[in-house]
Amino acid sequence: EAQVTQNPRYLITVTGKKLTVTCSQNMNHEYMSWYRQDPGLGLRQIYYSMNVEVTDKGDVPEGYKVSRKEKRNFPLILESPSPNQTSLYFCASGGLALSTGELFFGEGSRLTVL
Amino acid sequence: QKEVEQNSGPLSVPEGAIASLNCTYSDRVSQSFFWYRQYSGKSPELIMSIYSNGDKEDGRFTAQLNKASQYVSLLIRDSQPSDSATYLCAVGGGGSNYKLTFGKGTLLTVNP
Repeated sequence: EAQVTQNPRYLITVTGKKLTVTCSQNMNHEYMSWYRQDPGLGLRQIYYSMNVEVTDKGDVPEGYKVSRKEKRNFPLILESPSPNQTSLYFCASGGLALSTGELFFGEGSRLTVL
Repeated sequence: QKEVEQNSGPLSVPEGAIASLNCTYSDRVSQSFFWYRQYSGKSPELIMSIYSNGDKEDGRFTAQLNKASQYVSLLIRDSQPSDSATYLCAVGGGGSNYKLTFGKGTLLTVNP
């Protein structure tokens, strides 16, 4: 089954404690991206990656890091989380053969930073 | 920064009616346009994509694009209660611009 898998789905943490949200896709997609979704602000792109070792900033990259060492994985790293990073996070992937707007989304990871 | 604006909603229509969702975008060079549907508590799913001016039909859904007016819309004919969801307009830059910008979404409720 084609899917994008995120973990953890739910996480409560404290300010400053480093965390990683993993994302894995089994569709051999070149393009992967992270979004956060907040009430009244919609979906905002954090980082995206066109292929292994190729990443670029989206609209709200501050406080986040990413890496793309393998094609299937695109982890989101919060080195020192703060309460304003409390949000619902989505990972998405898509093939470059298609438009990069035709994305498959993971189920989401709800993060609370206290 | 590219902006994508959607009618704020919520939009409520009776079952069987046509629901009309609208979206405008600020970046004139945008090349690709998408509609995603997001049910409450779920992730977005792509329902329509359109790249050229005019209409594109897929079942009960019709996407309309007017690049000169920087406007894209989604019509849902014969609306069903199962269509009740938030609809997200997304705009891509095209070419070597791989950023995708979403609007804030319009909540649609279809009343039986």
